Amino acid sequence: RKEVEQDPGPFNVPEGATVAFNCTYSNSASQSFFWYRQDCRKEPKLLMSVYSSGNEDGRFTAQLNRASQYISLLIRDSKLSDSATYLCVVNTGGNTGFQKLVFGTGTRLLVSP
Amino acid sequence: ETGVTQSPTHLIKTRGQQVTLRCSSQSGHNTVSWYQQALGQGPQFIFQYYREEENGRGNFPPRFSGLQFPNYSSELNVNALELDDSALYLCASSYRTENNEKLFFGSGTQLSVL
Repeated sequence: RKEVEQDPGPFNVPEGATVAFNCTYSNSASQSFFWYRQDCRKEPKLLMSVYSSGNEDGRFTAQLNRASQYISLLIRDSKLSDSATYLCVVNTGGNTGFQKLVFGTGTRLLVSP
Repeated sequence: ETGVTQSPTHLIKTRGQQVTLRCSSQSGHNTVSWYQQALGQGPQFIFQYYREEENGRGNFPPRFSGLQFPNYSSELNVNALELDDSALYLCASSYRTENNEKLFFGSGTQLSVL
């Protein structure tokens, strides 16, 4: 079983749609969680951290369920510029500053006019 | 711009050769991590260096090795290249504190092994 699992997609949605991505992780000792965005063959860029209380940044909402080891990302009012691959990321390095990020394979989103 | 630069941007090698990839960390950062990203996959953790010492390693064979220099620049060396080593190699730097978790990625080196 992969440490971090995501549906690879692609998710094809029209502009303005709401789309949700899900991710599960296997290491219950994982300390922190993130969503990264990656454009075609470019470096991943941090989109947002994910907290148990849920957090929102504009059109993006992330949620963590530690009991189910499940992470989600909701994008509202999709824009053409949201087309990218969204990587679910778990830090399994503990809380000593050592950072071992484990990435999912990514979910590809295509937003069409 | 993250302030993390990698060189070269693209490289073509043949099976059995050796390669060195370079990374210049963001100013003030003392930790560097290297990741391998094969086509269609997420990045895979290779190893991390903190203050010039390796302090964590992923599931990669010993022919993958690295160095971190006093100025916090870094190298990734791969010996005896195999076809499956073809991938995007990403360097990420950060400043280690107890609560710091933000990594800054370079734009990567695309390695093709023929």
